[in-house]
Amino acid sequence: AQSVTQPDIHITVSEGASLELRCNYSYGATPYLFWYVQSPGQGLQLLLKYFSGDTLVQGIKGFEAEFKRSQSSFNLRKPSVHWSDAAEYFCAVDEGGSQGNLIFGKGTKLSVKP
Amino acid sequence: NAGVTQTPKFQVLKTGQSMTLQCAQDMNHEYMSWYRQDPGMGLRLIHYSVGAGITDQGEVPNGYNVSRSTTEDFPLRLLSAAPSQTSVYFCASRSRDRGLRGANVLTFGAGSRLTVL
Repeated sequence: AQSVTQPDIHITVSEGASLELRCNYSYGATPYLFWYVQSPGQGLQLLLKYFSGDTLVQGIKGFEAEFKRSQSSFNLRKPSVHWSDAAEYFCAVDEGGSQGNLIFGKGTKLSVKP
Repeated sequence: NAGVTQTPKFQVLKTGQSMTLQCAQDMNHEYMSWYRQDPGMGLRLIHYSVGAGITDQGEVPNGYNVSRSTTEDFPLRLLSAAPSQTSVYFCASRSRDRGLRGANVLTFGAGSRLTVL
């Protein structure tokens, strides 16, 4: 069965520092991959997605992610973190088949130090 | 364009009570789903539907019922609430077409926070 692992439960970075959130997936074929962000008390907002083609994908709010098939990874990056980026981040994979349900990781909470 | 609308936003129930969480979307999406979010567990799929009259179970369906009589609405019913169902519930929808780039993106509602005492 498909699965998603986010190894880091909680990360703290200083404002202006770079950020990388890790995501590993288990899937046999070329996966459809997503990163969502959830601000406190809010719903989930799509940051970016990978379907095929260029392995470096750009998203909203200055985020990018790189798909690496050899490492089964889809890590999220941002060169300079802003205080407003403090939130919880979820990686997800489309489980395939005709229904295409999303399987989510357990999330990484990002705190930003001033 | 309201997107996905969930009601109520907050609800407190006593053990054994029943209730329905409402979900409506105005994007003509065929696919709709319900997730629950618990601390440290991420989002887990409860039930989903690929069109009116069609529903199926996800990862954690026990204790929940769904129906899909229209394209727009996908209510989630708790027949006899238990403390283990205390959670935040999210409804999400997308177009069913998997052939178009970008067509698989889920749009989420704002969530419904349920507490069962």
